[in-house]
Amino acid sequence: SQQGEEDPQALSIQEGENATMNCSYKTSINNLQWYRQNSGRGLVHLILIRSNEREKHSGRLRVTLDTSKKSSSLLITASRAADTASYFCATDFSGGYNKLIFGAGTRLAVHP
Amino acid sequence: NAGVTQTPKFQVLKTGQSMTLQCAQDMNHEYMSWYRQDPGMGLRLIHYSVGAGITDQGEVPNGYNVSRSTTEDFPLRLLSAAPSQTSVYFCASKETGAGGYTFGSGTRLTVV
Repeated sequence: SQQGEEDPQALSIQEGENATMNCSYKTSINNLQWYRQNSGRGLVHLILIRSNEREKHSGRLRVTLDTSKKSSSLLITASRAADTASYFCATDFSGGYNKLIFGAGTRLAVHP
Repeated sequence: NAGVTQTPKFQVLKTGQSMTLQCAQDMNHEYMSWYRQDPGMGLRLIHYSVGAGITDQGEVPNGYNVSRSTTEDFPLRLLSAAPSQTSVYFCASKETGAGGYTFGSGTRLTVV
């Protein structure tokens, strides 16, 4: 499978703490994306990092990509209860066809 | 804009029945995909399309057919429903170039 794999499977933290989720994948990619899914809802695109980029920021989100290790991390700083959700990484290795393969996700719980 | 609209939101089928899950987007997106999500798991790609008239298989295409006669619509047909197809189905679309997918709110399908 070309799937990314997230680690940890579940993460429980207090409001104000930082949350770090990791993603590993198996083959060369065009880009890697992170999505959030609130319970019972569709996925929401958070951030995309291209294969030639090493780090990207968006608000409280910081994504890193290490293509030599085939891994990525998502850091959420100063977590809020509203950040409680599942987070998925998705890899596009299809040479421009935008064919995304998702990992199993990390369930994040942020406690007030 | 409505974004990505999926109908129905809920459906119960008997084993052996066929049905079509509808997906429509009003953003003039070229790329569209169908995913299924099973409890506690990530999304698995069923079929995807890079434009009207062009479709291809994803990770788990067996038991499903798609067609893309217009840019807006990408229906998913279950040929002969089986209990293993009980899942939540998501349709997603994106424009050409870099960027993430926009997801619909999902169809929850139960096959009894």
